[in-house]
Amino acid sequence: DIQMTQFPSSLPASVGGRVTITCRASQSIITYLNWYQQKPGKAPKLLIYGASSLQSGVPSRFSGSGSGTDFTLTISTLQPEDFATYYCQQTYSIPLTFGGGTKVEIK
Amino acid sequence: QVQLVQSGAEVKKPGSSVKVSCKASGGTFSSDGISWVRQAPGQGLDWMGVIIPILGTTNYAQKFQGRVTITADESTSTAYMELSSLRSEDTALYFCAKTSVGTWRLDPWGQGTLVTVSS
Repeated sequence: DIQMTQFPSSLPASVGGRVTITCRASQSIITYLNWYQQKPGKAPKLLIYGASSLQSGVPSRFSGSGSGTDFTLTISTLQPEDFATYYCQQTYSIPLTFGGGTKVEIK
Repeated sequence: QVQLVQSGAEVKKPGSSVKVSCKASGGTFSSDGISWVRQAPGQGLDWMGVIIPILGTTNYAQKFQGRVTITADESTSTAYMELSSLRSEDTALYFCAKTSVGTWRLDPWGQGTLVTVSS
């Protein structure tokens, strides 16, 4: 199975600030990487697919980059509604696997 | 835009089985799959498996192999996940998610079903 490692696990941030979350795969996954946002008690929501493509309806302040084994999710200007936990997911091979999550918290 | 609506919370005894449903509202599965993902309390996301109804194929994560069965009824646009030999560690929120074949995008997701395993 492909292991996905996210860091940091917790990220204190301020409204208006810039946030970068990193995800690393245990082997090359080319660009088969999705990002999700999850708020407490809610289902995850797809933000980015194919490492850098913005899902329809997702604000443009979210962006993704990377290829091979290293990927990043960036929120350019953090909004109050962006405080949540973010997960990466590889879709290169079955089983689909997720990173451990990064909780973006109020600083 | 299709929505996925899951069945209600369940409380089960250790050793028993649970079957959770996931119905597509406002649309059908079309050529997409349905994945099941679980989340233990305070933990991350764990992909359990996927069914692609139009192909009649399933794939399961090794850790659940032998205990999980995913099925689908295309006539009612409903998918099911049955987990057997339940133990306390199976207490979790179980989600279904529409899964695009090829890109394996999970979107949208059902609201989640809480399964509690307790004696």
